[in-house]
Amino acid sequence: DQQVKQNSPSLSVQEGRISILNCDYTNSMFDYFLWYKKYPAEGPTFLISISSIKDKNEDGRFTVFLNKSAKHLSLHIVPSQPGDSAVYFCAASEGNEKLTFGTGTRLTIIP
Amino acid sequence: DAGITQSPRHKVTETGTPVTLRCHQTENHRYMYWYRQDPGHGLRLIHYSYGVKDTDKGEVSDGYSVSRSKTEDFLLTLESATSSQTSVYFCAISESNRAYATFGSGTRLTVV
Repeated sequence: DQQVKQNSPSLSVQEGRISILNCDYTNSMFDYFLWYKKYPAEGPTFLISISSIKDKNEDGRFTVFLNKSAKHLSLHIVPSQPGDSAVYFCAASEGNEKLTFGTGTRLTIIP
Repeated sequence: DAGITQSPRHKVTETGTPVTLRCHQTENHRYMYWYRQDPGHGLRLIHYSYGVKDTDKGEVSDGYSVSRSKTEDFLLTLESATSSQTSVYFCAISESNRAYATFGSGTRLTVV
């Protein structure tokens, strides 16, 4: 059973516009959420995280929003740049348990 | 990535042969993980370790075993490789189970 879901396998966005990547989860006990970014032939790299006590966390061009009632997480990238083209994974954990990853969304930024 | 290395980077092996993948870290992190990445499945945890000789199963552990005899090394063994184990394998390390993990560059394994 997929507890963390990324329903959009791919997304294309024009350079300079906003990219919005979405993630849904089913386990209401998840209290820590992360986004990872992955380039081809490389390992995933940590991007940004958010605790369930917050509903928003910002780091430069990247903002993560958490809607606990909807069990929904989103990553906003503004403005989108060509170097943002990658696969993005969301992940979640409950307490001190290990991370559960989503299936990933491939983001393509169109110049 | 600096602090974590995987070997080999690529391997082709025949069905039924044993295969061992190695993960080495220089960060002295307590936790080490093995994931596999497959299209449509994202990253799935195979096994993880929370200390020397302390390991536990992940969600796709069947057909795999692990060992951690030193803090810095975490080995993943496929006792008898099958074609379904063709995948990209990532090792990751973290200071705690909850902290963000640092991933290695991956091992592309092909079982023919």
